[in-house]
Amino acid sequence: EPEVTQTPSHQVTQMGQEVILRCVPISNHLYFYWYRQILGQKVEFLVSFYNNEISEKSEIFDDQFSVERPDGSNFTLKIRSTKLEDSAMYFCASSDVIAGGGTQYFGPGTRLTVL
Amino acid sequence: QKEVEQNSGPLSVPEGAIASLNCTYSDRVSQSFFWYRQYSGKSPELIMSIYSNGDKEDGRFTAQLNKASQYVSLLIRDSQPSDSATYLCAVKGNQGGKLIFGQGTELSVKP
Repeated sequence: EPEVTQTPSHQVTQMGQEVILRCVPISNHLYFYWYRQILGQKVEFLVSFYNNEISEKSEIFDDQFSVERPDGSNFTLKIRSTKLEDSAMYFCASSDVIAGGGTQYFGPGTRLTVL
Repeated sequence: QKEVEQNSGPLSVPEGAIASLNCTYSDRVSQSFFWYRQYSGKSPELIMSIYSNGDKEDGRFTAQLNKASQYVSLLIRDSQPSDSATYLCAVKGNQGGKLIFGQGTELSVKP
């Protein structure tokens, strides 16, 4: 069964450093998302991406964040200068449609720890 | 005002019982509703989706939607210890794809 994959599973970084989180969405999916979940809190939407551009972004997704689809398979989230409060699980998701159902399937997540 | 609300629990039920999980949402134009299961430290895993008023059954799971009351629920019949997890209610509007999640209800099924 196709699945979303993410690397690395755990990333430890120093405050102020840049990190890139990588995702490989399900191959025939066209819509890609990043969510984050701070420990003990709810899953929060960050950004959606379609046709090589951002469709929607949340207030969390400020200038420190960027997304890119550098090739036909990868989808990346970059945090330019990490802060302590960026420590969270980051989930990538993908869906084949956006309207109506458009079920989103989640990857296993990357745990980001900012020291 | 919170957009998607769930009782945080924990909800504790004995093995074999019915677990009932509830969710309310604030945006009347919401069109699609999803229940995800999340084990500790893991990612959300889709259990059910529902789009129309009424009930939708899949094995031991039944989702119920009432758009007039802005209410969606999940029933788990014959609960098993392996069902112990946090259950996330997620809502999607009629435009755009973002999911808005509730804070989740922790379910504990006791053998």
